[in-house]
Order: sequence, then C-alpha cells, then structure tokens
Amino acid sequence: EDKVVQSPLSLVVHEGDTVTLNCSYEVTNFRSLLWYKQEKKAPTFLFMLTSSGIEKKSGRLSSILDKKELFSILNITATQTGDSAIYLCAVIPGYSTLTFGKGTMLLVSP
Amino acid sequence: EAQVTQNPRYLITVTGKKLTVTCSQNMNHEYMSWYRQDPGLGLRQIYYSMNVEVTDKGDVPEGYKVSRKEKRNFPLILESPSPNQTSLYFCASSRTPSGSWGEGVYNEQFFGPGTRLTVL
Repeated sequence: EDKVVQSPLSLVVHEGDTVTLNCSYEVTNFRSLLWYKQEKKAPTFLFMLTSSGIEKKSGRLSSILDKKELFSILNITATQTGDSAIYLCAVIPGYSTLTFGKGTMLLVSP
Repeated sequence: EAQVTQNPRYLITVTGKKLTVTCSQNMNHEYMSWYRQDPGLGLRQIYYSMNVEVTDKGDVPEGYKVSRKEKRNFPLILESPSPNQTSLYFCASSRTPSGSWGEGVYNEQFFGPGTRLTVL
C-alpha cells in the first residue's frame, strides 16, 4: 500500500523563524512528489519534484527531493503570518492516483 | 476568469437521500478529479476522469458515483449518503499534456472552493 507521511503534524513558530517540513514516502513506481499550500479552503500548488538533489525555489520557499532516502523537505525562511496554512505533500505513484500525506499545520505568530 | 466551481458549497442532508454535488470548469481541461478531506486522514482521491466518458476509481470510491458526459462538468453522486460520508469535498481539474501526462496533470491542477457535506 502506498504511504506518504508528513512531520510534524503541526507546529507554531514566531515570525522571522525558519521552518523545515518533512515528507517521507513508500510507493511503487515513484514518479513525482508535489507540495501544496492550503489556506482556508482549496489547496494551491507550490512545487513538483522529480529528480533527486535539485532544489526548487520560489521566494522564501524551497524544496528538495532525496529519492534514495525517499523523502522531501520544504523550507520556509523568514516566516510571515501569511505563511500560516496546512502544507500538503503528495506523491504520484506510477500512473495511478495522487496519494496525499495528512499535512502539516503551520502557525506563524506575530 | 479561469476557475473551478462547485455547488453547493454547504449541504446538510439525511441518510439515504440521494444527492449530487456539481463541479464545472471553464478552462477546457481534460482531466478532472474528486477528493475528500477528513481530519487526520488528509486528502483522498475518490474518482478521476481523463476525458469525456473516461472515469476511474481513486483510493476511496465506495458509496460514490461520477459521470463525465461533457468536458466541463464532473458531478459527484451519492446515491444513498451515510454519516461516514460527512466530509469536505474538493473537485479539481487540469489539462492533460501529451507524453508524460501524470506529472503535467498534477502540476497545474486547479482546485474548486470545496463543498462541506454533513450527513445526519
């Protein structure tokens, strides 16, 4: 059975801190890993990672994949209150369904 | 404005009363999908559709039906809702590029605003 595990489940940080969110996976025929941000309602796409060791970056957010150790991290530097959200990790196993982790709830306090 | 719309946004119903949640997209996307989101379980895929008249089961299809008669619409049907189907439902769509469709599909997946369903 395909499995995606995110940690921590939730965390609270102060504005300006740097956070690292973790996503590990066990899937057959791994193709890609995706990160989404969910504020209030619908998830919005952040990154898609297919190759090991290549960092994807967007502003203060960055992510990297390790296909040997089967995990990915999402880094957020200089956090702001607007970064408060649930961060979802998902994996594409082969040509099958998209499998999500349970998410990490991040709260950035002023 | 490019968007995915869902109706209704909130619904409270009783066990056994058939209901349909509609999903419509105006981006001419081939791929559409339904998810449910539950506390502690995350997002789980119910059904997806690669194109008109092409649908397939996701991880949790039991108790649900879908149809894809037109490209823009992908309704989710609960023939006999039960309390364990109380959840937050999301519809999503994406174009299906040629070649390696899986990655491209999920890369640009657009989510609808969600439907909060309560079955009493």
